[in-house]
Amino acid sequence: ETGVTQSPTHLIKTRGQQVTLRCSSQSGHNTVSWYQQALGQGPQFIFQYYREEENGRGNFPPRFSGLQFPNYSSELNVNALELDDSALYLCASSRLETQYFGPGTRLLVL
Amino acid sequence: QQQVKQSPQSLIVQKGGIPIINCAYENTAFDYFPWYQQFPGKGPALLIAIRPDVSEKKEGRFTISFNKSAKQFSLHIMDSQPGDSATYFCAATLPSSNTGKLIFGQGTTLQVKP
Repeated sequence: ETGVTQSPTHLIKTRGQQVTLRCSSQSGHNTVSWYQQALGQGPQFIFQYYREEENGRGNFPPRFSGLQFPNYSSELNVNALELDDSALYLCASSRLETQYFGPGTRLLVL
Repeated sequence: QQQVKQSPQSLIVQKGGIPIINCAYENTAFDYFPWYQQFPGKGPALLIAIRPDVSEKKEGRFTISFNKSAKQFSLHIMDSQPGDSATYFCAATLPSSNTGKLIFGQGTTLQVKP
């Protein structure tokens, strides 16, 4: 176990809705990264937060947004959900380059 | 240039065999190469990682071989066991002064038969 927790574990939404996913970092880690993993694919980088500031973003539209809190926990928000947003959403916490992943949130958009 | 290409897509070996998974990259600025193991319904778990100034690294039954000139690296699993059946991802990242985003390969599904 990495000490990174995510909630909820599963979620079903309909197209056009909004969703918030949550992540608690491993103790001592000040950086959180979010990834989207479609079925049968490798994780794709969404963005990273370091000390509450966005520190890099992948090729995802602005309707994907995030927050990092003073205790280094984080949220991923997705607005105007699309069917293609159905995926496993992973957060990873780190202090240096090694990233430790949580179990993920499985999102299904109908 | 930001891609990491992984092969094979799937692999079946007998218990005790040595599966080998290969990855290739283009961006010579990558400086950290981890391997992750993922079981169905779980998040990726770090197995072993290497930097380009080292040609080989062993941790338990897992070995990374790194060929900097060829821009290739591979994972070897010694004495493979049915419990090693999982999907394996190689990844690469730029120096930590950048975003630190991991760029993953496409994954290799390994099945170890008893």
